[in-house]
Amino acid sequence: DQQVKQNSPSLSVQEGRISILNCDYTNSMFDYFLWYKKYPAEGPTFLISISSIKDKNEDGRFTVFLNKSAKHLSLHIVPSQPGDSAVYFCAASARSGGSNYKLTFGKGTLLTVNP
Amino acid sequence: ETGVTQSPTHLIKTRGQQVTLRCSSQSGHNTVSWYQQALGQGPQFIFQYYREEENGRGNFPPRFSGLQFPNYSSELNVNALELDDSALYLCASRKDSGRHEQFFGPGTRLTVL
Repeated sequence: DQQVKQNSPSLSVQEGRISILNCDYTNSMFDYFLWYKKYPAEGPTFLISISSIKDKNEDGRFTVFLNKSAKHLSLHIVPSQPGDSAVYFCAASARSGGSNYKLTFGKGTLLTVNP
Repeated sequence: ETGVTQSPTHLIKTRGQQVTLRCSSQSGHNTVSWYQQALGQGPQFIFQYYREEENGRGNFPPRFSGLQFPNYSSELNVNALELDDSALYLCASRKDSGRHEQFFGPGTRLTVL
């Protein structure tokens, strides 16, 4: 049972345009959401996060939007750059018994930004 | 500030053997978690350690065990290796167990033949 879903395995955009990566979740107990970027042969790098009490968080070129009623979040990258090409993971966090704030990940979306 | 480091980078074992993977947490971080990432999947939570005690576990059998040391470094031990244990093993640390953001090491690629 996949609690965090990233339904697009891949996305290709032109340099300078907007990249939109989507994520859906099913568990109502999730109260914090994070995006990670992963290059080959490296561990995931934390990008941006959002608490469930907010609907938007911005950090430079990266903005995350949260729609709690739809159980949906998205990551917007504007403008996209070739260096943004990587696998992006959506993760959700919830207090769960003793495993406080364990992260549940989606399968990832491979973003390719073409020059 | 030193990030999360893991050793070894790669490891090849045969079925039935035992393996120990190591992790040094980011400076000032006292909580460490281990994740398994199979090919084409997202990382899956194995367990978490806080102040040298396991305080959370995912859906992994008891042959997956761990340790956290007073300097917050950590080990993941896997006994009786199976072919399906082949994966990237990631260690992540955070400042304390009350924070959501976790910072990952580069991982150890384990291949079980």
